Order: sequence, then structure tokens, then C-alpha cells
Amino acid sequence: GAVVSQHPSRVICKSGTSVKIECRSLDFQATTMFWYRQFPKQSLMLMATSNEGSKATYEQGVEKDKFLINHASLTLSTLTVTSAHPEDSSFYICSARDGRTNYGYTFGSGTRLTVV
Amino acid sequence: GQNIDQPTEMTATEGAIVQINCTYQTSGFNGLFWYQQHAGEAPTFLSYNVLDGLEEKGRFSSFLSRSKGYSYLLLKELQMKDSASYLCAGYDNYGQNFVFGPGTRLSVLP
Repeated sequence: GAVVSQHPSRVICKSGTSVKIECRSLDFQATTMFWYRQFPKQSLMLMATSNEGSKATYEQGVEKDKFLINHASLTLSTLTVTSAHPEDSSFYICSARDGRTNYGYTFGSGTRLTVV
Repeated sequence: GQNIDQPTEMTATEGAIVQINCTYQTSGFNGLFWYQQHAGEAPTFLSYNVLDGLEEKGRFSSFLSRSKGYSYLLLKELQMKDSASYLCAGYDNYGQNFVFGPGTRLSVLP
């Protein structure tokens, strides 16, 4: 089945620094990947849609200059949290759709970001 | 856009049956999904319904009524490991986005 690899699984960074999260589709090509954020005891909130070879589409209220998304190939999308602050601490999850199935989207394992 | 609604929390007893409901309003329906998510982990796929009716898969079944904008996930023979959040999800914007409901936190008690 479709596998999406997300790295790192956990990261702790200092306020003001930047953190890059990678999302790779391992056995399929993903022209579109999605980035979600999840705060404790809340559901996944869509942050942005990452399209290979073009600019990402951000949801309302998500700062595109703060959450930089790059989808340079059909198997890799990256999310960079720039100038991180403690309120950015959250669980970030990527997903991609394997067009060979109807099973919605396959998710990465998530990244737990803690900004201190 | 898509509005998806689920109960926030439910509690059930080990060995029992529980039904988790989901209502939705969508711009361009293209199937409804259920995911299970344990705390601190990514969601895992449970079921997909695109036609009306009941889809059974082992202890888990999912039902869809497109005319009513309604779905439910039925869990039978509950086990302690079924304690998790259950997320109803679907496509929005005519298949452009994949969005989730608020999730239902299920606690299975001994």
C-alpha cells in the first residue's frame, strides 16, 4: 500500500529559529500533498495544499510567509516553520493521495514540534 | 465549503456496540471517510463510502446516506484498544481539499 514518510518525528527548537519538516511519498507519486496541524484534543486542521511545481494554497488564517511550503518533486514536500514561537508548538501531519486507490489520503507519522 | 459535525466524546463498555454519527454539508460530494487516531499518532484509514448503504469490515461498519448528509461508524465487540479519536472526513471544493470533522473521542471502559 501507499506509504508516506515524514521526518523528523520530534523536534525541539528555540524561539526565533526555523524548522523544516519533510514529507515523502515512498512508493507512489503525489502531485498534491496536504499539511495539517493538530493541537491537543482537537481535530486536524488543514493548513495548506502543496502542489508539485507550483505555489501552495493556504487556508484562511495561515500565514504563508511563516509556513513555507516547497513541493519540488512528485515525491517530496517540505514545510518550514520560520521564526518559530511557542504558540507554533503543535503536531504537524502531512498526507498525500495515491491515485491508484479510492482510500482517501495516506498520512505521514507526524512531527511533534516544541518551541521553547 | 464543507461542514462536518460529530459528537465530541463518547463512552462505551468493553464488548458493547457503539455508533458514532457524522453529519456533513459539502460543495461537491466525493465520498466519506472514517479514520482512527490514537493520541500522538497519525490517523489510520478505516472505511470509505461513496454509495448509500452499509459497508461492513470485520468489527467495524460504516453507513452512508447521501440524501441526508449523514454517516455513522459502528464498532462491535469493543476492545480497550478501540479507545481513540474517530474522524469523519471528506473532500471539499469539488475534490480539491481533504478536510476532517472535529473527531469523536471514544473511551472504552472495562
